[in-house]
Amino acid sequence: KQEVTQIPAALSVPEGENLVLNCSFTDSAIYNLQWFRQDPGKGLTSLLLIQSSQREQTSGRLNASLDKSSGRSTLYIAASQPGDSATYLCAVPGSSNTGKLIFGQGTTLQVKP
Amino acid sequence: EAGVAQSPRYKIIEKRQSVAFWCNPISGHATLYWYQQILGQGPKLLIQFQNNGVVDDSQLPKDRFSAERLKGVDSTLKIQPAKLEDSAVYLCASSSIRDRGTDTQYFGPGTRLTVL
Repeated sequence: KQEVTQIPAALSVPEGENLVLNCSFTDSAIYNLQWFRQDPGKGLTSLLLIQSSQREQTSGRLNASLDKSSGRSTLYIAASQPGDSATYLCAVPGSSNTGKLIFGQGTTLQVKP
Repeated sequence: EAGVAQSPRYKIIEKRQSVAFWCNPISGHATLYWYQQILGQGPKLLIQFQNNGVVDDSQLPKDRFSAERLKGVDSTLKIQPAKLEDSAVYLCASSSIRDRGTDTQYFGPGTRLTVL
């Protein structure tokens, strides 16, 4: 059974710092991994999707990497801003290949001005 | 393009009462998902529809939860009777068949349920 874990659960950093969020998964037979952002009272927004054939994806100040063999992914945020404050969730497809996603519990990030 | 719509946004009920949530997916999206997100946890899939049919309801507590998707468009999720542990945010998401390879799901704002 696929399990997804995110560390740390919460993170507080001063504005301008570079930071790394971690995600691990138990079953390496995945065909992609996604990172989502969730703002309070709002739904999830997809940030980056990495296919299993890729090792990383970049969007602006965000860079996500994927190492299937070790069951790990990282989300790197460069030059953090207060507007980056949110909960970040990683998710992988369920083994049934129906489109279902298995989520980690999220990392809540606070960037202080 | 309009996003996924959900209503109500907030609901407070007493335990043992009934409640229903409504979701309108993005136009043309064949797949619709209902997720339950308990505070401090990631979303967990309750039920997945492909058009009118159920694809996965393995984690739906069928003794109290039910869902339907009439005409392959809107969907309702019902809880009857509610328990304290049902307090959560209920998220609806949709995706189009052409997105299956990327699994891009578009999420609504959610309904926050509090059971007292």
